[in-house]
Amino acid sequence: SAVISQKPSRDICQRGTSLTIQCQVDSQVTMMFWYRQQPGQSLTLIATANQGSEATYESGFVIDKFPISRPNLTFSTLTVSNMSPEDSSIYLCSDGDSPNYGYTFGSGTRLTVV
Amino acid sequence: GENVEQHPSTLSVQEGDSAVIKCTYSDSASNYFPWYKQELGKGPQLIIDIRSNVGEKKDQRIAVTLNKTAKHFSLHITETQPEDSAVYFCAASRGTALIFGKGTTLSVSS
Repeated sequence: SAVISQKPSRDICQRGTSLTIQCQVDSQVTMMFWYRQQPGQSLTLIATANQGSEATYESGFVIDKFPISRPNLTFSTLTVSNMSPEDSSIYLCSDGDSPNYGYTFGSGTRLTVV
Repeated sequence: GENVEQHPSTLSVQEGDSAVIKCTYSDSASNYFPWYKQELGKGPQLIIDIRSNVGEKKDQRIAVTLNKTAKHFSLHITETQPEDSAVYFCAASRGTALIFGKGTTLSVSS
């Protein structure tokens, strides 16, 4: 299975600012996913990051708030824009190319907005 | 869209006992059902998965069963150990994405 590195691992940010989270996969994958996990809650899919095209967002998530880049088959970024305390969560990326070996998650970015 | 229900939300067992977590899903097109274990401060780790053409799968102390007709699947952990204590999430595929249940906090006391 793939190995996924995420950074930063944690950050404390001021409201109104933006944070870009990076996700690096050790092999080429066609699809990557971004999830949000609010404190003590489950994982909610934010969007699917497609290489060469715009990300596909789930209901309740918009590109202006969560712009995503996917410049190549091993890398993606998620930006949390104009942050408010409600954005305090763990943000996780995963690969999703093939269920033959499961979907691997990064270790997450723990974001606190103050 | 796909909806995944998971029960119970918390489960406490004695070391050596078995633990069972159950999930139901709504989308009959779902064909992949993984289970993840998440320890404090870490990302989810895949522990076992099952596909729709299989009814049961086992890996040492962990087994998963799937009933496609009833749209439910279960995780069975036998001979539980304190290191099994964690949050467990079931998930069901929706296309290539995964939709997660709300999680079960398993506590194994020695």
